[in-house]
Amino acid sequence: GENVEQHPSTLSVQEGDSAVIKCTYSDSASNYFPWYKQELGKRPQLIIDIRSNVGEKKDQRIAVTLNKTAKHFSLHITETQPEDSAVYFCAASVDYGQNFVFGPGTRLSVLP
Amino acid sequence: DTEVTQTPKHLVMGMTNKKSLKCEQHMGHRAMYWYKQKAKKPPELMFVYSYEKLSINESVPSRFSPECPNSSLLNLHLHALQPEDSALYLCASSHGTGFGAFFGQGTRLTVV
Repeated sequence: GENVEQHPSTLSVQEGDSAVIKCTYSDSASNYFPWYKQELGKRPQLIIDIRSNVGEKKDQRIAVTLNKTAKHFSLHITETQPEDSAVYFCAASVDYGQNFVFGPGTRLSVLP
Repeated sequence: DTEVTQTPKHLVMGMTNKKSLKCEQHMGHRAMYWYKQKAKKPPELMFVYSYEKLSINESVPSRFSPECPNSSLLNLHLHALQPEDSALYLCASSHGTGFGAFFGQGTRLTVV
């Protein structure tokens, strides 16, 4: 079955700096990769996603890149703000989103 | 309506009780999910209903029983749970393949 690894497990950045979180997946058939943000005590929220036929996608300060050959995808957050502090989960799906396997999560702290 | 609504928000139940968790969405989504999330861990998929067809994670014990009365409603029936089943239970829905899932706020379940 699919296995998703995520690094780093914790990340601290200064406000205004960039943050990068990287995930690798094992199943080359995976074709859909969403990212979720979960603040303490709240539900996971979909923040961006990418499909296997696209190499990069951007939405304001957030971007995701996908390297199918290396089987890894990354989340890039620019100009970080304190409200970006949360746990971020990557996920991979082999059936375009019907069944997701989540990575273990990255706790991002943005220091003012 | 862009919400996935779960009831109750909190539930405490004994190991001999029978209870049900409820989930409702009115976004016209055709896939609905139950996830279990333990503290500091990613969500784990339990069940998927896609176009009212059930897919089961075979590692889920039979004391958890899903029901999908219609495309907007999803229930999770609980019976004879164990203390280790205490967790946050998240319902989610999506348009289906190729789309990310939207999560409800969860039911925090404590088994005593």
